[in-house]
Amino acid sequence: AQSVTQLGSHVSVSEGALVLLRCNYSSSVPPYLFWYVQYPNQGLQLLLKYTTGATLVKGINGFEAEFKKSETSFHLTKPSAHMSDAAEYFCAVSEGGSQGNLIFGKGTKLSVKP
Amino acid sequence: EAEVAQSPRYKITEKSQAVAFWCDPISGHATLYWYRQILGQGPELLVQFQDESVVDDSQLPKDRFSAERLKGVDSTLKIQPAELGDSAMYLCASSRVVDTEAFFGQGTRLTVV
Repeated sequence: AQSVTQLGSHVSVSEGALVLLRCNYSSSVPPYLFWYVQYPNQGLQLLLKYTTGATLVKGINGFEAEFKKSETSFHLTKPSAHMSDAAEYFCAVSEGGSQGNLIFGKGTKLSVKP
Repeated sequence: EAEVAQSPRYKITEKSQAVAFWCDPISGHATLYWYRQILGQGPELLVQFQDESVVDDSQLPKDRFSAERLKGVDSTLKIQPAELGDSAMYLCASSRVVDTEAFFGQGTRLTVV
């Protein structure tokens, strides 16, 4: 069965610092991997996704993630945090080619200090 | 820019009452999903439609939840009777076909009192 583990329910960084949000997955077949962002009382917005091809994926708002099969990881990074990055971030996995039938992690809340 | 529309945005209902949520997907999107997100958790898929047909409802509590998409366009999710544990955000998403990006609506926040 598929599963997603996000290490750290809450991460706090200073403005301008590196953002690193961790995600590990389990899947019996090559997975599709996703990162979504959610602002309070809002829906989910796709940041980036890995389906096939290049393992380093660039997304919106300066975020990127690298698919590492040997480590079953898909960590999200951003070189320099901005106050507007404060939100909740969800990692998700799917099998079988679906991009909407997703298993989500429990989320990581990112706080950005001035 | 096309969006997934959901209504109402907020709903307060009493325990044992019936409640319904509505979702209008992006025009032309054949695949529609309903998710439930309990506070502090990630979303969990309740049901997936392909046009008017249910593809996956394995996580839908069928004793009290029902979902329909009669004409393969908009969809309704119903809970009857509502229980305190149903308090959550209910998210609708749609995609053009199953293997393309899914777009999420803003959700309906349900509070059962």
